[in-house]
Amino acid sequence: NAGVTQTPKFQVLKTGQSMTLQCAQDMNHNSMYWYRQDPGMGLRLIYYSASEGTTDKGEVPNGYNVSRLNKREFSLRLESAAPSQTSVYFCATAGGPDTQYFGPGTRLTVL
Amino acid sequence: GQQVMQIPQYQHVQEGEDFTTYCNSSTTLSNIQWYKQRPGGHPVFLIQLVKSGEVKKQKRLTFQFGEAKKNSSLHITATQTTDVGTYFCAGVFSTGSYQLTFGKGTKLSVIP
Repeated sequence: NAGVTQTPKFQVLKTGQSMTLQCAQDMNHNSMYWYRQDPGMGLRLIYYSASEGTTDKGEVPNGYNVSRLNKREFSLRLESAAPSQTSVYFCATAGGPDTQYFGPGTRLTVL
Repeated sequence: GQQVMQIPQYQHVQEGEDFTTYCNSSTTLSNIQWYKQRPGGHPVFLIQLVKSGEVKKQKRLTFQFGEAKKNSSLHITATQTTDVGTYFCAGVFSTGSYQLTFGKGTKLSVIP
């Protein structure tokens, strides 16, 4: 029972490159979330998916797209990476409007 | 937009001293949650408060939810080095909403 897994753990991109961050959960949760964490800024919601087949924008969606592939998987895509997207990205899941369970994070640097 | 303000941003304490972090919202919250993030780690759920005036304890940690459901606090008694990390509050503004709005966190350092 792995909980929430994220790949990759680390990534370095050049400006303009694209990449997809992967998140998978085996907790049978309906809701999944993508956050970014920057120093002194706390956790900011990028996109979320309340259930399979639905996605909604969060606080900072610009420059990102998401796909809820199935109940287990929720991916985050950067089409054209920018230095401002250097951050730590966390995926989280929730079975309801309460506890969220976080993955280990992806540390992304955009040069 | 709806925000949750958290203070202080940093707190340095001697081991054995107490520590408190505070969260405030300008609008009523449905519930508030607290998370702890160890250095280099990911946020881990500590507790959820739902009722007005609710107080919950976990060993040396005491959590309170204000009567108006607009503020909350986390108090740690007699800090230990294992308490080091960043403590976040996260509010839910609408009943049934699945969105959390996080405060910016309080980073706790404990000097042995």
